[in-house]
Amino acid sequence: DTGVSQDPRHKITKRGQNVTFRCDPISEHNRLYWYRQTLGQGPEFLTYFQNEAQLEKSRLLSDRFSAERPKGSFSTLEIQRTEQGDSAMYLCASSFSWEALPDTQYFGPGTRLTVL
Amino acid sequence: AQTVTQSQPEMSVQEAETVTLSCTYDTSESDYYLFWYKQPPSRQMILVIRQEAYKQQNATENRFSVNFQKAAKSFSLKISDSQLGDAAMYFCASPNSNYQLIWGAGTKLIIKP
Repeated sequence: DTGVSQDPRHKITKRGQNVTFRCDPISEHNRLYWYRQTLGQGPEFLTYFQNEAQLEKSRLLSDRFSAERPKGSFSTLEIQRTEQGDSAMYLCASSFSWEALPDTQYFGPGTRLTVL
Repeated sequence: AQTVTQSQPEMSVQEAETVTLSCTYDTSESDYYLFWYKQPPSRQMILVIRQEAYKQQNATENRFSVNFQKAAKSFSLKISDSQLGDAAMYFCASPNSNYQLIWGAGTKLIIKP
């Protein structure tokens, strides 16, 4: 088990461009989470999947953000028409749980996005 | 909106001494888990300790222990025998009514050699 991986680790883009990030969770985990973290703050929930179903999406997530988890394995997070305010660390986490309560989540190293 | 409050933006402790990081939360759930995670500089978030709210006994993991006061909605982390490798941002997290984790703003822990 190699843990949660994310790709790329760093992304620099120009305002208005589209970017896509990938997350590979721990293989047996059924839940996958995306968070955004800005400097000096805790993670902010964006969305989560149980298997391939997207069950929750933050109201803070604009229509420019979309996430998928085809076949319940890896996930992608796409940001369209990036804005400078999108600059942040994007964290992915996975867990194994069938309870409603959020259980221990295992984090990847994150993708740092800089929008120029 | 439910919140998690970490009132200490930064704490410092002498190596080998004990330090306590505070956290308060306001979930309306009756049964839940609470978490402390650490995030070393430029490294990924790692679970430090988890507390199950229905358990009276405070969780412990080696040098890390919690003081869980359910009625007061307080969940502090005690680190004994602090080591240089403990230097990191520490985040407390608790669930909201949608069963998502809400995170505090973090406490930066500095270990003085």
